[in-house]
Amino acid sequence: EAGVVQSPRYKIIEKKQPVAFWCNPISGHNTLYWYRQNLGQGPELLIRYENEEAVDDSQLPKDRFSAERLKGVDSTLKIQPAELGDSAVYLCASSLGAGGPSETQYFGPGTRLLVL
Amino acid sequence: AQTVTQSQPEMSVQEAETVTLSCTYDTSESDYYLFWYKQPPSRQMILVIRQEAYKQQNATENRFSVNFQKAAKSFSLKISDSQLGDAAMYFCAYRSLGGGADGLTFGKGTHLIIQP
Repeated sequence: EAGVVQSPRYKIIEKKQPVAFWCNPISGHNTLYWYRQNLGQGPELLIRYENEEAVDDSQLPKDRFSAERLKGVDSTLKIQPAELGDSAVYLCASSLGAGGPSETQYFGPGTRLLVL
Repeated sequence: AQTVTQSQPEMSVQEAETVTLSCTYDTSESDYYLFWYKQPPSRQMILVIRQEAYKQQNATENRFSVNFQKAAKSFSLKISDSQLGDAAMYFCAYRSLGGGADGLTFGKGTHLIIQP
């Protein structure tokens, strides 16, 4: 079974440029998460989708970040314009979405963003 | 809001020995889930072990076991018979019990070094 797929793996851009990250979750997983992991830190949740609906976007900086999950499958996270402080690893994860003790989040390999 | 604290930025252990990684958390909730994730240099987060707070029995997965002290809000990970492949960042994480598949709250991580 294929895992969570993310692309690109690495991205280098200049500040003020736009950038987009793509995530394809595990087939059948209704819930999709975007996390940001700064250097030397644990991941922090940016947004959570249940199917097409963003149910938790309280930590998403809405002035420059946007996300979408059309058709409830793959998702795109966009930054426009990027700032130096956006340099981080952006992780996507997915889970079945049923909740409960067996609910497990499976993570992709992440996209490492460097803003110059 | 919940917080997770990992007070050991780095730990080192000889191959085949046992090591314990510490984690404390703060929450006002009475029931929740706790996790340990491993992140090797490839960056892909891998679930190591989970614990339901309403279960008194400590979880065990092969060489990995936890010491869950609910009153002390402590959740340590013990790795027995350490292997070179165990070298990675280890993150402690918290998830609310609430309906749906909430996002995880992570600690800052502990870098585990295995000395041959």
